[in-house]
Amino acid sequence: GDSVTQMEGPVTLSEEAFLTINCTYTATGYPSLFWYVQYPGEGLQLLLKATKADDKGSNKGFEATYRKETTSFHLEKGSVQVSDSAVYFCALEGLDDTGRRALTFGSGTRLQVQP
Amino acid sequence: DAGITQSPRHKVTETGTPVTLRCHQTENHRYMYWYRQDPGHGLRLIHYSYGVKDTDKGEVSDGYSVSRSKTEDFLLTLESATSSQTSVYFCAIRETANTGELFFGEGSRLTVL
Repeated sequence: GDSVTQMEGPVTLSEEAFLTINCTYTATGYPSLFWYVQYPGEGLQLLLKATKADDKGSNKGFEATYRKETTSFHLEKGSVQVSDSAVYFCALEGLDDTGRRALTFGSGTRLQVQP
Repeated sequence: DAGITQSPRHKVTETGTPVTLRCHQTENHRYMYWYRQDPGHGLRLIHYSYGVKDTDKGEVSDGYSVSRSKTEDFLLTLESATSSQTSVYFCAIRETANTGELFFGEGSRLTVL
């Protein structure tokens, strides 16, 4: 079945540092790929998405490129802020056994940004 | 604001008791989901619904049942709670069938003693 693998956290960075959170996936067909973010005490919210190979999703300074050849969707940001401290989830959308769309999430990576 | 309300937000119960979590939406969307979140596992799908009385199982459905008698409400029931069901439960809605974007509620933290 579909699966998503993320780097384990926590990732601890100083403010203005460069961020990379790795995400690789296993899926049949051509899934859509997503990054969700969860701030403390809240539910998840969509950060960015890409629906086909070589697409780049971007939002709030974060970027991720859909790389089919390496089955990856790594999240990057050039200069992190304390307010970016959160848990980040990589996810893919494929088709389940009944042919319906289903999201599969990675285990999440906690980011801690220190001032 | 996606108009999703989960209740209760926090609950402590004892092993063997029944528990029902409620998800209420004001957006009239067809697609609703229940996930559980546990350390090291991310979010795992319990059950989902594609409309009134149209529900199906996710990857971790054992020990859970759901009901959707109205578009706006999606209920998750633990018939006999166990300690392994201690978790944070999230409800989510999807606007259409053609996008992967889910909107999540704020979560319900359940502790089974």
